[in-house]
Amino acid sequence: TQLLEQSPQFLSIQEGENLTVYCNSSSVFSSLQWYRQEPGEGPVLLVTVVTGGEVKKLKRLTFQFGDARKDSSLHITAAQTGDTGLYLCAGTSSNDYKLSFGAGTTVTVRA
Amino acid sequence: DSGVTQTPKHLITATGQRVTLRCSPRSGDLSVYWYQQSLDQGLQFLIQYYNGEERAKGNILERFSAQQFPDLHSELNLSSLELGDSALYFCASSRPERGGPYQETQYFGPGTRLLVL
Repeated sequence: TQLLEQSPQFLSIQEGENLTVYCNSSSVFSSLQWYRQEPGEGPVLLVTVVTGGEVKKLKRLTFQFGDARKDSSLHITAAQTGDTGLYLCAGTSSNDYKLSFGAGTTVTVRA
Repeated sequence: DSGVTQTPKHLITATGQRVTLRCSPRSGDLSVYWYQQSLDQGLQFLIQYYNGEERAKGNILERFSAQQFPDLHSELNLSSLELGDSALYFCASSRPERGGPYQETQYFGPGTRLLVL
Protein backbone atom coordinates (compact mmCIF):
# COMPACT_ATOMS: atom_id res chain seq x y z
CA THR A 1 0.00 0.00 0.00
CA GLN A 2 1.15 3.52 -0.80
CA LEU A 3 1.75 5.90 2.09
CA LEU A 4 0.94 8.74 -0.29
CA GLU A 5 -2.21 8.49 -2.37
CA GLN A 6 -2.27 10.38 -5.62
CA SER A 7 -5.35 11.25 -7.62
CA PRO A 8 -6.35 11.00 -10.29
CA GLN A 9 -4.29 8.11 -11.61
CA PHE A 10 -4.69 9.29 -15.21
CA LEU A 11 -5.55 12.70 -16.62
CA SER A 12 -6.00 13.61 -20.26
CA ILE A 13 -6.76 17.19 -21.20
CA GLN A 14 -6.65 19.54 -24.16
CA GLU A 15 -3.83 22.03 -24.55
CA GLY A 16 -4.73 25.29 -22.83
CA GLU A 17 -6.87 23.71 -20.12
CA ASN A 18 -6.01 23.70 -16.43
CA LEU A 19 -5.41 20.63 -14.28
CA THR A 20 -4.89 19.74 -10.65
CA VAL A 21 -3.19 16.68 -9.20
CA TYR A 22 -3.64 15.72 -5.55
CA CYS A 23 -1.39 13.95 -3.09
CA ASN A 24 -2.88 12.85 0.23
CA SER A 25 -1.70 10.96 3.28
CA SER A 26 -2.73 10.22 6.83
CA SER A 27 0.88 10.86 7.88
CA VAL A 28 2.58 14.17 8.57
CA PHE A 29 5.59 14.94 6.42
CA SER A 30 8.47 17.29 7.09
CA SER A 31 8.79 17.95 3.41
CA LEU A 32 6.99 17.04 0.27
CA GLN A 33 8.48 16.98 -3.18
CA TRP A 34 6.97 16.86 -6.65
CA TYR A 35 8.77 15.15 -9.52
CA ARG A 36 8.05 14.73 -13.20
CA GLN A 37 9.20 11.62 -14.98
CA GLU A 38 9.27 11.12 -18.73
CA PRO A 39 9.40 7.69 -20.38
CA GLY A 40 12.83 6.10 -20.22
CA GLU A 41 14.19 8.68 -17.81
CA GLY A 42 14.55 9.18 -14.09
CA PRO A 43 12.30 11.49 -12.05
CA VAL A 44 13.27 15.16 -12.10
CA LEU A 45 12.58 17.31 -9.05
CA LEU A 46 10.14 20.18 -9.67
CA VAL A 47 9.75 21.62 -6.17
CA THR A 48 10.18 20.96 -2.44
CA VAL A 49 7.68 22.35 0.07
CA VAL A 50 8.45 22.26 3.78
CA THR A 51 6.08 24.68 5.58
CA GLY A 52 2.42 23.94 6.22
CA GLY A 53 0.26 26.18 4.02
CA GLU A 54 3.20 26.99 1.76
CA VAL A 55 2.47 27.88 -1.85
CA LYS A 56 5.19 27.84 -4.48
CA LYS A 57 4.91 28.91 -8.08
CA LEU A 58 7.09 27.74 -10.91
CA LYS A 59 5.92 29.52 -14.08
CA ARG A 60 2.55 27.88 -14.88
CA LEU A 61 2.85 25.34 -12.04
CA THR A 62 1.52 26.09 -8.55
CA PHE A 63 2.31 23.78 -5.64
CA GLN A 64 0.57 23.87 -2.29
CA PHE A 65 1.40 22.10 0.96
CA GLY A 66 -1.55 21.53 3.28
CA ASP A 67 -1.70 23.32 6.62
CA ALA A 68 -1.35 20.00 8.46
CA ARG A 69 1.47 18.89 6.16
CA LYS A 70 -0.42 15.76 5.18
CA ASP A 71 -1.43 16.70 1.66
CA SER A 72 -0.33 18.65 -1.35
CA SER A 73 -1.58 19.70 -4.74
CA LEU A 74 -0.06 20.57 -8.06
CA HIS A 75 -1.99 22.91 -10.35
CA ILE A 76 -0.98 23.55 -13.95
CA THR A 77 -2.44 26.55 -15.73
CA ALA A 78 -2.87 26.59 -19.51
CA ALA A 79 -1.29 23.18 -19.97
CA GLN A 80 1.05 22.60 -22.88
CA THR A 81 1.97 19.37 -24.65
CA GLY A 82 5.38 19.59 -23.00
CA ASP A 83 3.69 19.11 -19.61
CA THR A 84 2.89 15.53 -20.56
CA GLY A 85 4.50 13.07 -18.15
CA LEU A 86 4.22 11.11 -14.93
CA TYR A 87 3.90 13.38 -11.90
CA LEU A 88 5.05 11.91 -8.62
CA CYS A 89 4.77 13.27 -5.12
CA ALA A 90 7.18 12.08 -2.44
CA GLY A 91 7.44 12.82 1.26
CA THR A 92 10.02 12.60 3.99
CA SER A 93 9.58 12.55 7.75
CA SER A 94 11.82 14.59 10.02
CA ASN A 95 15.37 13.24 10.06
CA ASP A 96 14.33 10.47 7.74
CA TYR A 97 16.38 9.86 4.67
CA LYS A 98 13.74 7.78 2.97
CA LEU A 99 11.54 9.25 0.27
CA SER A 100 8.10 7.66 0.14
CA PHE A 101 6.58 8.04 -3.31
CA GLY A 102 3.00 8.12 -4.41
CA ALA A 103 1.95 5.89 -7.31
CA GLY A 104 1.94 8.85 -9.67
CA THR A 105 -0.46 10.63 -11.99
CA THR A 106 -0.02 10.18 -15.72
CA VAL A 107 -0.84 13.46 -17.42
CA THR A 108 -1.43 13.63 -21.16
CA VAL A 109 -1.89 17.01 -22.79
CA ARG A 110 -3.38 16.74 -26.27
CA ALA A 111 -2.57 19.28 -28.99
CA ASP B 1 21.30 15.40 -17.56
CA SER B 2 21.25 14.99 -13.77
CA GLY B 3 24.95 14.15 -13.50
CA VAL B 4 24.17 10.69 -12.12
CA THR B 5 25.25 7.85 -14.37
CA GLN B 6 24.00 4.29 -14.33
CA THR B 7 25.19 1.24 -16.20
CA PRO B 8 24.07 -0.79 -17.94
CA LYS B 9 21.03 0.88 -19.45
CA HIS B 10 19.36 -2.43 -20.25
CA LEU B 11 19.91 -5.91 -18.86
CA ILE B 12 18.25 -9.15 -19.90
CA THR B 13 18.92 -12.26 -17.88
CA ALA B 14 17.35 -15.52 -16.77
CA THR B 15 15.74 -16.57 -13.52
CA GLY B 16 18.23 -17.72 -10.90
CA GLN B 17 21.00 -15.53 -12.22
CA ARG B 18 22.91 -12.73 -10.49
CA VAL B 19 23.47 -9.23 -11.85
CA THR B 20 25.28 -6.08 -10.71
CA LEU B 21 24.01 -2.58 -11.39
CA ARG B 22 26.39 0.32 -11.14
CA CYS B 23 25.87 3.95 -10.21
CA SER B 24 28.17 6.96 -10.19
CA PRO B 25 26.79 9.90 -8.18
CA ARG B 26 27.08 13.55 -9.06
CA SER B 27 30.43 15.08 -8.28
CA GLY B 28 30.48 16.09 -4.63
CA ASP B 29 27.44 14.07 -3.58
CA LEU B 30 28.05 11.72 -0.68
CA SER B 31 24.70 9.93 -0.55
CA VAL B 32 23.54 7.30 -2.98
CA TYR B 33 20.02 5.87 -2.98
CA TRP B 34 18.63 2.88 -4.85
CA TYR B 35 15.01 2.61 -5.96
CA GLN B 36 12.97 -0.01 -7.78
CA GLN B 37 10.13 1.06 -10.08
CA SER B 38 7.65 -1.51 -11.29
CA LEU B 39 4.21 -1.13 -12.81
CA ASP B 40 2.36 -2.59 -9.85
CA GLN B 41 4.47 -1.21 -6.97
CA GLY B 42 5.47 2.22 -8.22
CA LEU B 43 8.76 3.73 -7.07
CA GLN B 44 10.04 1.96 -3.99
CA PHE B 45 13.03 2.98 -1.89
CA LEU B 46 15.51 0.15 -1.42
CA ILE B 47 18.58 1.40 0.41
CA GLN B 48 20.77 4.46 1.02
CA TYR B 49 24.50 4.81 1.54
CA TYR B 50 26.29 7.85 2.86
CA ASN B 51 30.05 8.16 2.38
CA GLY B 52 30.48 4.39 2.27
CA GLU B 53 28.19 3.49 5.15
CA GLU B 54 24.65 2.14 5.00
CA ARG B 55 22.31 4.85 6.34
CA ALA B 56 18.75 3.75 5.66
CA LYS B 57 17.04 0.62 4.49
CA GLY B 58 13.70 0.30 2.77
CA ASN B 59 11.90 -2.56 1.07
CA ILE B 60 15.03 -4.37 0.00
CA LEU B 61 14.89 -8.14 -0.34
CA GLU B 62 17.51 -10.34 1.30
CA ARG B 63 18.54 -11.51 -2.18
CA PHE B 64 19.58 -7.94 -2.93
CA SER B 65 22.62 -6.18 -1.53
CA ALA B 66 24.44 -2.95 -2.16
CA GLN B 67 27.65 -1.21 -1.30
CA GLN B 68 29.30 2.16 -1.77
CA PHE B 69 32.99 2.25 -2.56
CA PRO B 70 35.66 4.76 -1.43
CA ASP B 71 35.31 6.65 -4.73
CA LEU B 72 31.59 6.94 -3.83
CA HIS B 73 30.25 4.91 -6.71
CA SER B 74 27.75 2.27 -5.72
CA GLU B 75 26.72 -1.16 -6.87
CA LEU B 76 23.43 -2.97 -6.38
CA ASN B 77 23.70 -6.74 -6.53
CA LEU B 78 20.60 -8.76 -7.32
CA SER B 79 20.86 -12.54 -6.94
CA SER B 80 18.63 -15.59 -7.43
CA LEU B 81 16.60 -13.45 -9.79
CA GLU B 82 12.89 -14.05 -10.18
CA LEU B 83 10.47 -12.94 -12.87
CA GLY B 84 9.03 -10.40 -10.45
CA ASP B 85 12.37 -8.64 -10.15
CA SER B 86 11.90 -7.26 -13.64
CA ALA B 87 11.73 -3.50 -13.16
CA LEU B 88 13.48 -0.20 -13.61
CA TYR B 89 16.20 0.35 -11.02
CA PHE B 90 17.12 3.94 -10.30
CA CYS B 91 20.03 5.38 -8.44
CA ALA B 92 19.87 8.88 -6.98
CA SER B 93 22.45 11.00 -5.21
CA SER B 94 22.38 13.98 -2.89
CA ARG B 95 24.57 16.11 -0.66
CA PRO B 96 23.98 17.31 2.91
CA GLU B 97 21.87 20.42 3.37
CA ARG B 98 21.80 22.73 6.40
CA GLY B 99 18.11 22.16 6.89
CA GLY B 100 18.54 18.45 7.44
CA PRO B 101 17.98 15.30 5.41
CA TYR B 102 14.48 16.23 4.38
CA GLN B 103 15.83 19.32 2.63
CA GLU B 104 18.17 17.33 0.44
CA THR B 105 17.47 17.18 -3.26
CA GLN B 106 17.87 13.77 -4.79
CA TYR B 107 19.07 13.71 -8.38
CA PHE B 108 18.06 10.59 -10.26
CA GLY B 109 20.02 8.72 -12.87
CA PRO B 110 18.44 7.44 -16.11
CA GLY B 111 17.88 3.98 -14.64
CA THR B 112 18.69 0.41 -15.56
CA ARG B 113 15.89 -1.61 -17.10
CA LEU B 114 16.12 -5.21 -15.93
CA LEU B 115 14.20 -7.96 -17.66
CA VAL B 116 14.25 -11.42 -16.10
CA LEU B 117 13.09 -14.17 -18.44
